[in-house]
Amino acid sequence: AQSVTQLDSQVPVFEEAPVELRCNYSSSVSVYLFWYVQYPNQGLQLLLKYLSGSTLVESINGFEAEFNKSQTSFHLRKPSVHISDTAEYFCAVRISYGGSQGNLIFGKGTKLSVKP
Amino acid sequence: GAGVSQTPSNKVTEKGKYVELRCDPISGHTALYWYRQSLGQGPEFLIYFQGTGAADDSGLPNDRFFAVRPEGSVSTLKIQRTERGDSAVYLCASSLTSGRLADTQYFGPGTRLTVL
Repeated sequence: AQSVTQLDSQVPVFEEAPVELRCNYSSSVSVYLFWYVQYPNQGLQLLLKYLSGSTLVESINGFEAEFNKSQTSFHLRKPSVHISDTAEYFCAVRISYGGSQGNLIFGKGTKLSVKP
Repeated sequence: GAGVSQTPSNKVTEKGKYVELRCDPISGHTALYWYRQSLGQGPEFLIYFQGTGAADDSGLPNDRFFAVRPEGSVSTLKIQRTERGDSAVYLCASSLTSGRLADTQYFGPGTRLTVL
């Protein structure tokens, strides 16, 4: 069975500092990988995803994540965070059946708190 | 708006009562998902519809939970004989079936269910 581990439940950082949110998954088959973000009082929004091709994927607001198959990881990074990045971040996987549908398996989430 | 909508936003009920939660997906999205998010946890998959039919209901916890999507658009999640452990935020998501955005699930704001 597939599972997702987000080791850090909370990550406090100062504004303009770099941050890494860790995500590891377990699966015996190929997976697609996602990061979703939930801002305070808002719904889940897709931040970025890895389906195939380049192992480094980027979001429009400066986040990036790298798929590492050997380490079964998909860590999320940002070189300089802003107060507005304060949110909860969820890593998720989906089995790549060959089609494009299927349920997501989420980690427990990491609360990123950016302090001035 | 053009996003996924869910009603009600909040539902408080008494143990043993019946509840219905509604999801209105993005127009044209044939895939629809229900997830449940308990406090401090990531979303957990409940059921997935492709059109009118449930393609995967393996996440439904027991036979008190049932979902329908009779016309392939709006879906209703039904919970009979509610228990305090059913208290959670129930999330709905929808996606396209084909095309480059088929892997992106768009989430609604959720319905917060509280069973007293």
